[in-house]
Amino acid sequence: GAVVSQHPSWVICKSGTSVKIECRSLDFQATTMFWYRQFPKQSLMLMATSNEGSKATYEQGVEKDKFLINHASLTLSTLTVTSAHPEDSSFYICSAPGQANMNTEAFFGQGTRLTVV
Amino acid sequence: AQSVTQLDSQVPVFEEAPVELRCNYSSSVSVYLFWYVQYPNQGLQLLLKYLSGSTLVKGINGFEAEFNKSQTSFHLRKPSVHISDTAEYFCAVSRIFGNEKLTFGTGTRLTIIP
Repeated sequence: GAVVSQHPSWVICKSGTSVKIECRSLDFQATTMFWYRQFPKQSLMLMATSNEGSKATYEQGVEKDKFLINHASLTLSTLTVTSAHPEDSSFYICSAPGQANMNTEAFFGQGTRLTVV
Repeated sequence: AQSVTQLDSQVPVFEEAPVELRCNYSSSVSVYLFWYVQYPNQGLQLLLKYLSGSTLVKGINGFEAEFNKSQTSFHLRKPSVHISDTAEYFCAVSRIFGNEKLTFGTGTRLTIIP
């Protein structure tokens, strides 16, 4: 089946620095990628939708200047957490949407555990 | 908009006992329904999905779920659990269009007691 590769799997950074998370579709082209955030013991919340060749769409309450999303190609979407703070510590997961009406489900990356100290 | 409710945040079950994880949803439009499992520090793995047709859906690892439209429920069941089933389980819905985002429930942590 389709594979979505997300890197790094975990990262620790100092407060005030920026961190880039990559999400690659390995054997298919993804014109859209979803970025979710999961706080400890909570569910996944959609942060934004990245679209190849156009601006990302952010969910209400998500700071677009803090969470920079770039979808430079059909196989790569990146999320950059700028000027990270401890409250940004979370589990970030990317997902290429499936075509449910064509019986293909969404494919998730392995996730990135970000810890800001 | 859609919403998903998983009433049980934690479910402890003895090994080889049956289990049911409850999921209810709300939507003004037709939706597809999914169950995902998440092992510690890992991404999500699809257990099963309901798109249309038979309301009883069988998935991987011996799990099954039944779609009940009148009760807007999609409960997950397994007749006999194993230690390896210890994980977080998420119910999710999406609208029946392509490239649709998933709306997740808050998750249920299933703990298997030896």
